[in-house]
Amino acid sequence: DAEITQSPRHKITETGRQVTLACHQTWNHNNMFWYRQDLGHGLRLIHYSYGVHDTNKGEVSDGYSVSRSNTEDLPLTLESAASSQTSVYFCASSASHGLAGRSYNEQFFGPGTRLTVL
Amino acid sequence: AQKITQTQPGMFVQEKEAVTLDCTYDTSDPSYGLFWYKQPSSGEMIFLIYQGSYDQQNATEGRYSLNFQKARKSANLVISASQLGDSAMYFCAMREASGGSYIPTFGRGTSLIVHP
Repeated sequence: DAEITQSPRHKITETGRQVTLACHQTWNHNNMFWYRQDLGHGLRLIHYSYGVHDTNKGEVSDGYSVSRSNTEDLPLTLESAASSQTSVYFCASSASHGLAGRSYNEQFFGPGTRLTVL
Repeated sequence: AQKITQTQPGMFVQEKEAVTLDCTYDTSDPSYGLFWYKQPSSGEMIFLIYQGSYDQQNATEGRYSLNFQKARKSANLVISASQLGDSAMYFCAMREASGGSYIPTFGRGTSLIVHP
């Protein structure tokens, strides 16, 4: 079965360190997204990609970067981790078009990565 | 202004009863889609139901239905015959079609607790 995975599931790091969170999907989706989830804020978009070599900033992109070298992976890098980046991070993917018989394309989410920056 | 508003931070319902979770949205785009996701305590986000702005009928998926009132810009989720496993956070999201964007905007969520 197709799936979307994230690693690690839990990470503790120190302020100033570079951290990379992995996201891998086997749906063959063109669209991939990174969100952070914080209490009281819901899901906020960090970066997104509509295909290989395409990356775009979301509403909370400062301090984060992504690269898309293939369809399956969109790693998220925190260049210099800050305590404000302590959060739960979700990766998601979606098809560019609705599946046969449907007019919509929902996002499929990974299980999340809980990141703590000390 | 928020594009998606969920005014109920927390809701309680008795098992087997129906419950409505509110969602209002703000858009000037005539073409848009509305999604509901469930997030149980285990953390994963689960897609529940979709309503397109041009859909004539309210969407239904099993015990989930979407009370879509276009003029009021509301897309409330109705869960019939609540079960203990329905206890979770519920997020409403909207994706506008203009510009070919595939990015939904999420509300802040409603926590639902189902009592036995």
